[in-house]
Amino acid sequence: DQQVKQNSPSLSVQEGRISILNCDYTNSMFDYFLWYKKYPAEGPTFLISISSIKDKNEDGRFTVFLNKSAKHLSLHIVPSQPGDSAVYFCAATDTGANSKLTFGKGITLSVRP
Amino acid sequence: EAQVTQNPRYLITVTGKKLTVTCSQNMNHEYMSWYRQDPGLGLRQIYYSMNVEVTDKGDVPEGYKVSRKEKRNFPLILESPSPNQTSLYFCASSLFPTGNNSPLHFGNGTRLTVT
Repeated sequence: DQQVKQNSPSLSVQEGRISILNCDYTNSMFDYFLWYKKYPAEGPTFLISISSIKDKNEDGRFTVFLNKSAKHLSLHIVPSQPGDSAVYFCAATDTGANSKLTFGKGITLSVRP
Repeated sequence: EAQVTQNPRYLITVTGKKLTVTCSQNMNHEYMSWYRQDPGLGLRQIYYSMNVEVTDKGDVPEGYKVSRKEKRNFPLILESPSPNQTSLYFCASSLFPTGNNSPLHFGNGTRLTVT
């Protein structure tokens, strides 16, 4: 049973436009959510996170929104740049348990110049 | 430079030949973990360690062993590798078991092929 779902395998956007990456989860115990970015031949790198007590967290061009009632979060990148082209993983954890991160399958973002 | 170092980056081996993938972190992190990445399956946790001498199974532990004798090292051992263990492996660490303000730091991966 997949607890973190990234249903779209890929997304292509024009440089300068907004990229919206979606993620759904099923486990209501998850209380901390993260986005990781991965370039080819490198390990994932932490991008941004959000606690379940918030509904929005912003860091420069990156904003994560959390809708707990819908068990949905999204990552907004504005404006998108070619260097943002990568695989993005959504991850979630129950900080009261063993804090294991559960990852989605990832979405490949391509930003066209 | 703060980092998680895995070795080797690439490894081709044959079924049944024991191998070890090393992982070392220089950030004094308590928590370390191993993941495998497979097409269409994302990242799945193999084993994790909360601290020295404390290890536990993740989601896909079968066929793997780990040890945590020192804080900085967390090797992944395949006693008898099989072709279904062909995958991309990542070691990761964090200051504490992942929670607020303690994101995982990943190594650059080990591409393992078992023939």
